[in-house]
Amino acid sequence: IQLTQSPSSLSASVGDRVTITCRASQGISSYLAWYQQKPGKAPKLLIYAASTLESGVPSRFSGGGSGTDFTLTISSLQPEDFATYYCQQLNDYPRALTFGGGTKVEIK
Amino acid sequence: QVHLAQSGAEVKKPGSSVKVSCKPSGGTFSYYAFSWVRQAPGQGLEWMGSITPMVDKVNYAQKFQGRVTIIADKSTTTAYMELSSLRSEDTAVYYCAREGRRVPVAGMDYYYMDVWGQGTTVTVSS
Repeated sequence: IQLTQSPSSLSASVGDRVTITCRASQGISSYLAWYQQKPGKAPKLLIYAASTLESGVPSRFSGGGSGTDFTLTISSLQPEDFATYYCQQLNDYPRALTFGGGTKVEIK
Repeated sequence: QVHLAQSGAEVKKPGSSVKVSCKPSGGTFSYYAFSWVRQAPGQGLEWMGSITPMVDKVNYAQKFQGRVTIIADKSTTTAYMELSSLRSEDTAVYYCAREGRRVPVAGMDYYYMDVWGQGTTVTVSS
C-alpha cells in the first residue's frame, strides 16, 4: 500500500490553519497514524486510528478521514509546529507498515 | 516515562554488517512489539521490521528480507537489529520504536508506535 502526502512542503504563518492530506493507494479503514518530526529528533506520535489524539498532544491538532483519504489539521499554527509530518498505515499490521513521503511545514 | 536507549553511532565498510541495540528503560519488555525504522539523509521514514518478544514473532519488510535480522534478548530486555551486506545506500539513522498504543478492532489489536529511541547513525563508507 502506497501513501501519498500533499503538499510535500508548505509555507505558513503563525496562527494559520494548516491541512495536510494523505491518500492511500487502497482502502485502509482507519488504520492510520500521524507523526511529527523535528530536525535531528525522532518522530513523535500525534494522532492514531486516524482521529484519536495522543496523550499530551495539543488539541489544535486533529485528524480525520477513513478509507483512502485522510487529513491532519493544525487549527492555529504555533512556532513549535514547524516540522515535518508523516502519515503511516497499519492496514496489514503487523506486516508491511508504510509511511508517506512527508510534508515539511516551514515559516512564511 | 519509558525511554528507549539505542547504541552509539557506527561506521562500517561496504559488505560488512551492523548490529544496533535498543533497550527500554521501563515497562514490560516482553509485552510490547518493537519496530525498526530507518531514515536516510534528507529522506523519509522507512519501516524495516518488528519483533514481539513474548512470542518471538518477527515481521520483515519485503525490501529487507534476507538482509535484516531482528531479535529480542529477554534476559537483558534488549532488542537488536542486524543489517548485513551493507552498501552506501544503507547510510541512515536507524530508530527503534515501541508499538505501545493499542487499538482493538473487530477482534484484532493494532499497535501504533508511541515511544521512539534517539536514533543510531550508521555510516557505510569505504
